[in-house]
Amino acid sequence: KNEVEQSPQNLTAQEGEFITINCSYSVGISALHWLQQHPGGGIVSLFMLSSGKKKHGRLIATINIQEKHSSLHITASHPRDSAVYICAVGYNNNDMRFGAGTRLTVKP
Amino acid sequence: DAMVIQNPRYQVTQFGKPVTLSCSQTLNHNVMYWYQQKSSQAPKLLFHYYDKDFNNEADTPDNFQSRRPNTSFCFLDIRSPGLGDAAMYLCATSRETQGSYNEQFFGPGTRLTVL
Repeated sequence: KNEVEQSPQNLTAQEGEFITINCSYSVGISALHWLQQHPGGGIVSLFMLSSGKKKHGRLIATINIQEKHSSLHITASHPRDSAVYICAVGYNNNDMRFGAGTRLTVKP
Repeated sequence: DAMVIQNPRYQVTQFGKPVTLSCSQTLNHNVMYWYQQKSSQAPKLLFHYYDKDFNNEADTPDNFQSRRPNTSFCFLDIRSPGLGDAAMYLCATSRETQGSYNEQFFGPGTRLTVL
């Protein structure tokens, strides 16, 4: 069992829809990251969270430490949001464990 | 802007022909990481340098080697690439400080094709 589980694996949405991607992890962590990777591209860090909620533009990330769960929300989705979204958790020794990613396709 | 740079962005090599991928950083971070990411999979850590100390993951094949001649540069050498080594190779850096978690910053990656 992967230490970091993401759902869904694939997600197709219509432009303008509200999108939620979920991430669960199994052990205590130092921080949780949401990363974005466009097809054939490198990784861009969207958020780093250790508690609560963060917002950047149309993106919102939340984390519940007690439940070991985080969500990434995209409001008013756009085709340019199409990418793979990766949840990764970090530990005190700077070790990072990655989820398998959620492939998001937003259709115009 | 401070950043992590990888060259080349795309590399094509032949089966068995040695190849070197390059990573440089202007962040002055003391830790540098190399990840391998195969299609539709999560990145997998190959090794990392903590300053000059090399730390190899247990399951990283001997075919993969690394060099860090100075703080800014780190190289990934694949001695005899096989078809299974075709992947995106990601470099990341972080500043290690005692007692606190430190975010990793990723480069854009080098996509390796093995013919």
